[in-house]
Amino acid sequence: EPEVTQTPSHQVTQMGQEVILRCVPISNHLYFYWYRQILGQKVEFLVSFYNNEISEKSEIFDDQFSVERPDGSNFTLKIRSTKLEDSAMYFCASRPGSSYNEQFFGPGTRLTVL
Amino acid sequence: DAKTTQPPSMDCAEGRAANLPCNHSTISGNEYVYWYRQIHSQGPQYIIHGLKNNETNEMASLIITEDRKSSTLILPHATLRDTAVYYCIVRGLRAGGTSYGKLTFGQGTILTVHP
Repeated sequence: EPEVTQTPSHQVTQMGQEVILRCVPISNHLYFYWYRQILGQKVEFLVSFYNNEISEKSEIFDDQFSVERPDGSNFTLKIRSTKLEDSAMYFCASRPGSSYNEQFFGPGTRLTVL
Repeated sequence: DAKTTQPPSMDCAEGRAANLPCNHSTISGNEYVYWYRQIHSQGPQYIIHGLKNNETNEMASLIITEDRKSSTLILPHATLRDTAVYYCIVRGLRAGGTSYGKLTFGQGTILTVHP
């Protein structure tokens, strides 16, 4: 069964460093998402991406964040200058493009900012 | 999107049915009810969704009241592996029929299945 994959599973970085989190969505899906979950808190929407552009973003997704689909298979989230409060699980998700909202989530990347 | 209310936690004995309630009294006519679950910090997993009719798939059943103001997710024979946080989410469709993308997760219900 096809699944969303994410790498790395755990990323440790120093405050102020740039990080890139990588996702490979399911191959025939058209909509892509990033969510995050700070330890002990709710899953929060960050951004959605369709047709090579951002379709929606939350207040969390400020100028320090960017997304890209560089080669038609990978979907990346970049944080330019990490802060301590960026420490969280980051989940990528994809959706086929039907009118329904069955999103398929990856296993997540745990980002730890020191 | 309509707001949902779920109990913070529930227990269930292994092998018994788990019935997880959700209130969505402000739901509007074009909004669907979705259920997802999250097992111990893994990525959320889609379970089922419905509009007004009851739905069943290999994982669960979804019962939506006639006024659509509440729903119940039923896991017919809960196992220890069903221990997870269960999220009830209400989402609508755009005028053209395509879905809004983002999912808005609440705190959900922590379901603990015990032997």
